Amino acid sequence: EAQVTQNPRYLITVTGKKLTVTCSQNMNHEYMSWYRQDPGLGLRQIYYSMNVEVTDKGDVPEGYKVSRKEKRNFPLILESPSPNQTSLYFCASRLGTGVGELFFGEGSRLTVL
Amino acid sequence: AQSVTQLDSQVPVFEEAPVELRCNYSSSVSVYLFWYVQYPNQGLQLLLKYLSGSTLVESINGFEAEFNKSQTSFHLRKPSVHISDTAEYFCAVSGSGNTGKLIFGQGTTLQVKP
Repeated sequence: EAQVTQNPRYLITVTGKKLTVTCSQNMNHEYMSWYRQDPGLGLRQIYYSMNVEVTDKGDVPEGYKVSRKEKRNFPLILESPSPNQTSLYFCASRLGTGVGELFFGEGSRLTVL
Repeated sequence: AQSVTQLDSQVPVFEEAPVELRCNYSSSVSVYLFWYVQYPNQGLQLLLKYLSGSTLVESINGFEAEFNKSQTSFHLRKPSVHISDTAEYFCAVSGSGNTGKLIFGQGTTLQVKP
């Protein structure tokens, strides 16, 4: 089944404790992206990747890092989480790098205390 | 810069009533427009899209949206809603340049009541 898989789905952590949210897609998509969803703000892009070893900042990259060492994986790293990073995070992928349907994971709800 | 505005944060309707979810965008270049749906505790799924051609686009579950360039709108409509349509709906516009970024609106929660 074609899908985007995120882990963990739910996480409660404390300020400053490094964490990684993994994202994997099995559709051989070139483009991958991370979004955060906050009430009243919709989805805002954190980082995106056009292909392996090619990443760039989105609209809200502060406090996050990403890497794209393999085509299927695109982890989101929070080196020192803070309470303002409490949010619902979505990974998404797309075939090619132009306009087309984004396929979303089921989301990772992160709470930073 | 491109932006999307969804004019209603919540839309309550009774089952079998018609509904319209409003979306306006701003852009100085040609746009591609999308509606995504998010059911409770799930990720977003593409509902329908406008890339080119006919300005009226339809989904397989009875929704339709019309691209109106003069009014910079892409409103979503359904003539008769079901309880199962209860979800959050996001309008999105493709970003400028070749990054293919989608810019999302704030979302509209459709609440269908029996």
